[in-house]
Amino acid sequence: GNSVTQMEGPVTLSEEAFLTINCTYTATGYPSLFWYVQYPGEGLQLLLKATKADDKGSNKGFEATYRKETTSFHLEKGSVQVSDSAVYFCALIVGYSTLTFGKGTMLLVSP
Amino acid sequence: DAGVTQSPTHLIKTRGQQVTLRCSPKSGHDTVSWYQQALGQGPQFIFQYYEEEERQRGNFPDRFSGHQFPNYSSELNVNALLLGDSALYLCASSFPEAGQWGGYTFGSGTRLTVV
Repeated sequence: GNSVTQMEGPVTLSEEAFLTINCTYTATGYPSLFWYVQYPGEGLQLLLKATKADDKGSNKGFEATYRKETTSFHLEKGSVQVSDSAVYFCALIVGYSTLTFGKGTMLLVSP
Repeated sequence: DAGVTQSPTHLIKTRGQQVTLRCSPKSGHDTVSWYQQALGQGPQFIFQYYEEEERQRGNFPDRFSGHQFPNYSSELNVNALLLGDSALYLCASSFPEAGQWGGYTFGSGTRLTVV
């Protein structure tokens, strides 16, 4: 089956620090990979995506590269802000299946 | 442009009762998916509706059922509630072929508490 494993949180950083949230996956077939973000009291928002190996998704300063050889899709940001505090979910889809999510990683950024 | 609307936002029910949650998809979307997000966990897929029929189903018991109406809105029904059904229930809408490209729009969810 399909599964996603994320590093456990919370990840606590000071403003302007570098962020990495690790994500690895297993999939039956060739997946598309996503990062979703959930702010307090809100639903999920698509942050970025990559649909084939070596693709780099990017948005709002966040980046993630689809690494097929290591089955990974780590999320990075060079300089986090307090407003980035949220829960981040790595997810995948294979073909016309539905989204499979990781457990989520909470990010807390202090001024 | 309205996104996905879910109602109610919060709900408290007693064990054994039944509950109905509602979802209006984003304008132009015709496919609705439901997810259960337990505290501290990622969303788990319940089922997906398209053309008023259940198209895919996750690993949930028959106590969980749904419906889609001609206007594409959807309901999630849970019978014989258990304490373990307490969770945030998320609705997501999309076009059928857009899902694989991440083309889902999520609502803010309904927080169900079973006591």
